[in-house]
Amino acid sequence: DTAVSQTPKYLVTQMGNDKSIKCEQNLGHDTMYWYKQDSKKFLKIMFSYNNKELIINETVPNRFSPKSPDKAHLNLHINSLELGDSAVYFCASSMGGARTGELFFGEGSRLTVL
Amino acid sequence: AQSVSQHNHHVILSEAASLELGCNYSYGGTVNLFWYVQYPGQHLQLLLKYFSGDPLVKGIKGFEAEFIKSKFSFNLRKPSVQWSDTAEYFCALNTGNQFYFGTGTSLTVIP
Repeated sequence: DTAVSQTPKYLVTQMGNDKSIKCEQNLGHDTMYWYKQDSKKFLKIMFSYNNKELIINETVPNRFSPKSPDKAHLNLHINSLELGDSAVYFCASSMGGARTGELFFGEGSRLTVL
Repeated sequence: AQSVSQHNHHVILSEAASLELGCNYSYGGTVNLFWYVQYPGQHLQLLLKYFSGDPLVKGIKGFEAEFIKSKFSFNLRKPSVQWSDTAEYFCALNTGNQFYFGTGTSLTVIP
């Protein structure tokens, strides 16, 4: 069983479209994250949720909106896609709080905006 | 502010050479430190982690890292690299619910 799973793995879309990426973890973790990895492999934190509550919201355009229906899911919706949004988006989870432990990553969703 | 620095951006080694990748962090409190590896086209996987105790930690695939508190460092080492170690390596710091990643080091091992 995949611990952190993301869908879809690949997205190719036109500028201006709206798209969503879904993430689910079956590890029983309290905290989930979205990271963006650009073409230079730099990893940037976008959002973090702990038990469905937003705890980290880095400087990310308002076009990006995370949603956490429960602590096992953290979805990412992107409106009005731009060329610069092309990247690999990684979902991750951790135990959270003082028992944070390590991050477990999903396999990534490669978004290409044309 | 907390940060992680990886000074080696690209490293090219021949097989059987020894490896040391530098990682320095900036944080005054208790730290949890990690090294992650990302093989081409794959997601990040944990190589090893330090929470407390013995500052020399051993990870998977023959990797080890040493936490030196006085130097704020957590360098990654492997005595003899293999072609299959070609990957991107990330050092990370955890200070609670926030993880801070270095910019990564690209390692290419030539057969």
